[in-house]
Parts: sequence; C-alpha cells; structure tokens
Amino acid sequence: SQQGEEDPQALSIQEGENATMNCSYKTSINNLQWYRQNSGRGLVHLILIRSNEREKHSGRLRVTLDTSKKSSSLLITASRAADTASYFCATPQDFGNEKLTFGTGTRLTIIP
Amino acid sequence: NAGVTQTPKFQVLKTGQSMTLQCAQDMNHEYMSWYRQDPGMGLRLIHYSVGAGITDQGEVPNGYNVSRSTTEDFPLRLLSAAPSQTSVYFCASSYGLTSGANVLTFGAGSRLTVL
Repeated sequence: SQQGEEDPQALSIQEGENATMNCSYKTSINNLQWYRQNSGRGLVHLILIRSNEREKHSGRLRVTLDTSKKSSSLLITASRAADTASYFCATPQDFGNEKLTFGTGTRLTIIP
Repeated sequence: NAGVTQTPKFQVLKTGQSMTLQCAQDMNHEYMSWYRQDPGMGLRLIHYSVGAGITDQGEVPNGYNVSRSTTEDFPLRLLSAAPSQTSVYFCASSYGLTSGANVLTFGAGSRLTVL
C-alpha cells in the first residue's frame, strides 16, 4: 500500500517560475525524503527532513514538513529546464523502519 | 566508484521462463533492496536485505526470489515469468539506518517485458 501520495500528479510551468509539489502520508514518521527521477533513469536523493524539523533548504530546494497534517511540500525556486523530472516523496513504512515507501510522484515539466 | 550497477538494462522473456536480474554495489552498503516501478503505482518494494545472509520480503514478493551471499551482490530471480511482471526494476542500496534515516542510492534500472 502507498504511504505517500504526491499532488499534483503533473505540473507544467515556465522556466524561471517556482514549482511546488506536495506529499501526504498516513502513519507517524521520523523522517521524510524527496527523490528526483529523470526520464529513463534511477532515482536520486535530493533532501531529507526529520520529524523535529519544520523546514529545510538545499540550494534552490525548500522542503517543509507538517507532522500534525502528515504532509510535506517541496518547493523548487527559479526553475530550469534541467529540473524537468518526476519527484517522489519517501517515508519509512513504520516509525524508524528502514523500509521506504514511495509515493506515485509528481511529473514536473519546465517549459523553456 | 561505480555505485549501484544493474544488469541487464533490457530483457524480453516469454511467459514461464526464468531469469536473474543482477545488482552489485561497491560502496560497502549493508542494506540492499529491489523495487518495481509501474505506471501510476510508484515504486513498490519486492525484497530487501540488511546484510549478507539476511533477506526479507517487501510489499510484493510473490514470484520473486533473492539471496545475499556477499555484501556487494543482491540478485533478483524471477522463477516463472508472467506478463504481470512486466515492469522496470530498480535496485537500491544504503548504509542502512543512519541516525534513524535510510537514504538510498539507486541503480539505473532494468526494463523487463514478459510476453
């Protein structure tokens, strides 16, 4: 069963605009991760946020976590064509478990 | 470092045939896992291993076998291929739970078609 669900399923924006995608999950977690997948490639880890953190930044990425709403958001600022990819959130199946469950992903297209 | 290497990249099988998808990592990772990715379903965990000699089932283990005789290798065996196993398969590895989080490194994937 899917733990995380991303929203929207697909998003198209103009280059230079900001992109926001959301992830909702079902059980209590101690961390949440975001991964990127370029077409035909494997997933690449982007950022991890722990349950005691509300916001985290990495370059043009900003991730928030609201454990009371069981949701997270990924913001990509000043988007570039190279950001075109699918983005997935991943959460432990159980609190502190090593098994990761992935959502169905948001397909982001940056229009030059 | 090569990272996580999967072979083959593409494979076509007939129903009932068996085959092995290979996965090797050179990062001395203790944790290894196999996922399948299907359209609209995200990634689903098939099997995983927390160290040599230890394997366990994930969410969708039926029709698949794994073994972990070495730290580096984690092959996935399809015993009798079925069209429902047509998918893209990803191997992923990590150091395991590090400060409570398991950050995965993925291979490039193996696309399997079962006719």
